Amino acid sequence: QITLKVSGPTVVKPTETLTLTCTFSGFSLSSSGVSVGWIRQPPGKALEWLALIYWDDDKRYNPSLKSRLSITKDTSENQVVLTLTNMDPVDTGTYFCAHSPDTGPYFHFQNWGLGTLVSVSS
Amino acid sequence: SSELTQDPAVSVALGQTVRVTCQGDSLRSFYANWYQQKPGQAPVLVMHGENTRPSGIPDRFSGSNSGDTASLTITGALAEDEGDYYCNSRDSSSNHVVFGGGTKLTVL
Repeated sequence: QITLKVSGPTVVKPTETLTLTCTFSGFSLSSSGVSVGWIRQPPGKALEWLALIYWDDDKRYNPSLKSRLSITKDTSENQVVLTLTNMDPVDTGTYFCAHSPDTGPYFHFQNWGLGTLVSVSS
Repeated sequence: SSELTQDPAVSVALGQTVRVTCQGDSLRSFYANWYQQKPGQAPVLVMHGENTRPSGIPDRFSGSNSGDTASLTITGALAEDEGDYYCNSRDSSSNHVVFGGGTKLTVL
C-alpha cells in the first residue's frame, strides 16, 4: 500500500520561506521510472503543478515559479522536500505531494497525499 | 509551456451519460490523465494512459484520446460522481507537467 503524507507549517509570514516534507511508504524513489511531484491548490481554485523529482535526481519546475522553488529527495528516509521562497498571500493554498510510477507518455500521478493547508499571513 | 483547456462546468441527469473534455497541444504526444476531486479531499486518479482505470474505479468511467483532445465519459452517472474533474499530462515542449483548469460536474 502506497501512502504519502505532507508535513510542515500551517502558517507562514510574507517573505518567509516555506519548507514542506513529503514522507512516503510503499515504493522506492530509487526505482527506475518513479517520481514524486508537488501540486498546490488555492482555495476554490484549480490544481497547479509545482515541481517533480525523478528517481535519477532529475528535477523539473513550473516555469512561472522556478526562481522560488527547490525540490530535493532523501531516498534513505523516503522523503521529498519542497522549498518555496519569498512567500506571498497568493501562495496560500493546499499543498499536495503525489507519486508517479511511470515516465513518458504514460506519466500520471497515481497516489496522492492528503495535503496540507498553508496560509500566508502576517 | 502548453496549456490544457476544460469546460468550467458540466451537468448531467442522474443515470445519463456525460463527457468531460480536455484540449491541448501536449495531448498530441502524451495521454491525458483524469482525476476526481471532492470537497476537502485529495484528487483521485480515475483514468490514465490509453483507457486504463485504476483498481477500484467503476467501469462506468471510460477514456479516449483523439488528436489534441481527450475525453472522460461517465456512462450512467450516479450522484456520487459529482465533483471536480481535472485532466493532466506531460508538456511536450518542455517535459514539465500541466493541469487543466478543472470541470465541475453536477449530477441533477
